[in-house]
Amino acid sequence: AQKITQTQPGMFVQEKEAVTLDCTYDTSDPSYGLFWYKQPSSGEMIFLIYQGSYDQQNATEGRYSLNFQKARKSANLVISASQLGDSAMYFCAMREVSTGGFKTIFGAGTRLFVKA
Amino acid sequence: GAVVSQHPSRVICKSGTSVKIECRSLDFQATTMFWYRQFPKQSLMLMATSNEGSKATYEQGVEKDKFLINHASLTLSTLTVTSAHPEDSSFYICSAQRRGTANYGYTFGSGTRLTVV
Repeated sequence: AQKITQTQPGMFVQEKEAVTLDCTYDTSDPSYGLFWYKQPSSGEMIFLIYQGSYDQQNATEGRYSLNFQKARKSANLVISASQLGDSAMYFCAMREVSTGGFKTIFGAGTRLFVKA
Repeated sequence: GAVVSQHPSRVICKSGTSVKIECRSLDFQATTMFWYRQFPKQSLMLMATSNEGSKATYEQGVEKDKFLINHASLTLSTLTVTSAHPEDSSFYICSAQRRGTANYGYTFGSGTRLTVV
C-alpha cells in the first residue's frame, strides 16, 4: 500500500497566486515527521518545511505553509504568491520509525509550473 | 550552514567497472547518511541507511554486494556501484542528518548522474 500519496502529477499556477499541493500519508506510528522538498531541474533536493506529528500548529516557513490535518492524514503544502522560480518538482516525505532507526519515504512528486 | 557535497556530479563508465560516489558533510557532523536512487520522472527510492562506524542497513530488494556503502567518519559516506551495468544508470542522491537534530530536515547532496555504457 502507498504510504505517501501525491495525487497531482502536475499543477499549473499563475504567478503571484497561491497554490496547494496535496499529500496524504498512512502510518500506524504515533510519532512521525512530514517533510516537503523542492527539486528544481538541476536535480538537487531542497528542504522546504517540516511538521511533526505532535506539533499543535501548522508549520510555516516564509511563503510555505503546511496544512496539517492529522485526522485526515493529510499534509498539504501551500505556496503563497508563486514565483517563476517555484517551478520545480515537489516531494512530500514521511519519516517513521523503522528497524535500526528511522526511515524516510517519498511520494511520487508533483511537478509545479508557474506561468508568467 | 548544513552543506552536503556529493561528488562526482556526473560520471560515465564502462559496463563491468566500478564507480565510487562520495557524500561529504562540509560543516556539520552527520549522524546518519542516506542513499537514494531516482529514476527519470520518478520519486526517490531509499537504498540504504548508513550510520558512522556500523554496517549500512539496506532496503529490501537492494543488493548489498552491488551497492557497497562505507561510512567511515561522521562527515563522509561513500557508495560504490560494483560491476556496473546499463540498468544501474540512474541519478543517485545522498542526504545527511545533522547530529543532534532529530526533528528537522535532511540536507541533500546535489546528486550524481551515473551512465553505464
